Amino acid sequence: QLQLQESGPGLVKPSETLSLTCTVSGASISRGSYYWVWIRQPPGKGLEWIGSISYSGTTYYSPSLKSRVTISVDTSNKEFALKVTSVTAADTAVYFCARMRGAAVAGKLSSYMDVWGKGTTVTVSS
Amino acid sequence: QSVLTQPPSVSAAPGQKVTVSCSGSNSNIGNNYVSWYQHLPGTAPKLLIYENDKRPSGIPDRFSGSKSGTSATLGITGLQTGDEADYYCGTWDTSLSAGVFGGGTKLTVL
Repeated sequence: QLQLQESGPGLVKPSETLSLTCTVSGASISRGSYYWVWIRQPPGKGLEWIGSISYSGTTYYSPSLKSRVTISVDTSNKEFALKVTSVTAADTAVYFCARMRGAAVAGKLSSYMDVWGKGTTVTVSS
Repeated sequence: QSVLTQPPSVSAAPGQKVTVSCSGSNSNIGNNYVSWYQHLPGTAPKLLIYENDKRPSGIPDRFSGSKSGTSATLGITGLQTGDEADYYCGTWDTSLSAGVFGGGTKLTVL
């Protein structure tokens, strides 16, 4: 059974870089039609899609975060990572990693997150 | 401001039916499939509906989804107190080349 687990510092100082890793267990990270996604939820707010990566390294980023975000994948260690540079208090959130099914179905794009990690809280504060 | 628009809250009595709407545009809902998620605070979101109206294994048929044009709807029948949660719609936005969510709808079972 596929499981995802986020890990990384729970506290990051303003202007520094937030770094998180998601470890995949129970299934291959190199399976086609799946993407590996980062999503966050700031306190009191809704879910925000950050970006995704395929096992081959194809990335997509939210336009609002694109200039500060990098997502990478390490298939040998079955993990993918998130880096957010120049963080501010607005980056304080629960960060989730997830698996996203991405495929063209009958001419339309099907994208949905079927497996999620439990989430990890990151606070940006000095 | 979310790309997809949902009502902030809905409510209904136990046993009743409720619907949650999700409005978008041609670059997202109009030309791509919609998914729905249930999120209880402190837990991982759960996939309820994918490709507009399909339920993953283990999701009861009390949950249903539909789509028309640039809007989608989640329906929940036979409401239970355990259904109290936040519900989010999601899809791909072709213009943004990114995934997008609605702002979320808080369901209260009175």
